[in-house]
Amino acid sequence: EAQVTQNPRYLITVTGKKLTVTCSQNMNHEYMSWYRQDPGLGLRQIYYSMNVEVTDKGDVPEGYKVSRKEKRNFPLILESPSPNQTSLYFCASSLQGHNEQYFGPGTRLTVT
Amino acid sequence: KNQVEQSPQSLIILEGKNCTLQCNYTVSPFSNLRWYKQDTGRGPVSLTIMTFSENTKSNGRYTATLDADTKQSSLHITASQLSDSASYICVVSAPTDSWGKLQFGAGTQVVVTP
Repeated sequence: EAQVTQNPRYLITVTGKKLTVTCSQNMNHEYMSWYRQDPGLGLRQIYYSMNVEVTDKGDVPEGYKVSRKEKRNFPLILESPSPNQTSLYFCASSLQGHNEQYFGPGTRLTVT
Repeated sequence: KNQVEQSPQSLIILEGKNCTLQCNYTVSPFSNLRWYKQDTGRGPVSLTIMTFSENTKSNGRYTATLDADTKQSSLHITASQLSDSASYICVVSAPTDSWGKLQFGAGTQVVVTP
């Protein structure tokens, strides 16, 4: 089944403790992207990747890192999480940047 | 300033009725305009995607229109069903640094009541 998977789905952590949220797609898509969604603000793009080893900042990249070492995976890294990073995170992929995107199920992160 | 504005913020409609959601954007040029449906707590699902040369596109009871001259798009839902209750998001592909950066509207929350 073609899909985008994210892990973990739920995570509660403490300020400053490094964490990684994984994202994987099995559709051989070139483009992948991370978003956060907060009440009243809608979806905001964090980072995106047009292809392997190519990443670019979205609108809210501060406090996040990404890497794209292989086509199927696009992990989101929070080196030192803070409470303002508490949010619902979505990963998405598409064949190329201008194509229809497929979203993962979301990761709900709480930083205390 | 958000480059994609959606209206209304929310609306309540009776099952079986039609409704129209609006999206105004300032992004120029743009690659394409997309409409997504997002159920609460779930990832968005694509409804339609239109390039600047397309005027209309349908997906079942959902019909999107695009006027590239006035930079306006609308999403029309026909004969609404309870399962249409969701947030509807307008997204414009904005080639600022590359074609991968997307601009999202804040969404319109639709509630369909029996």
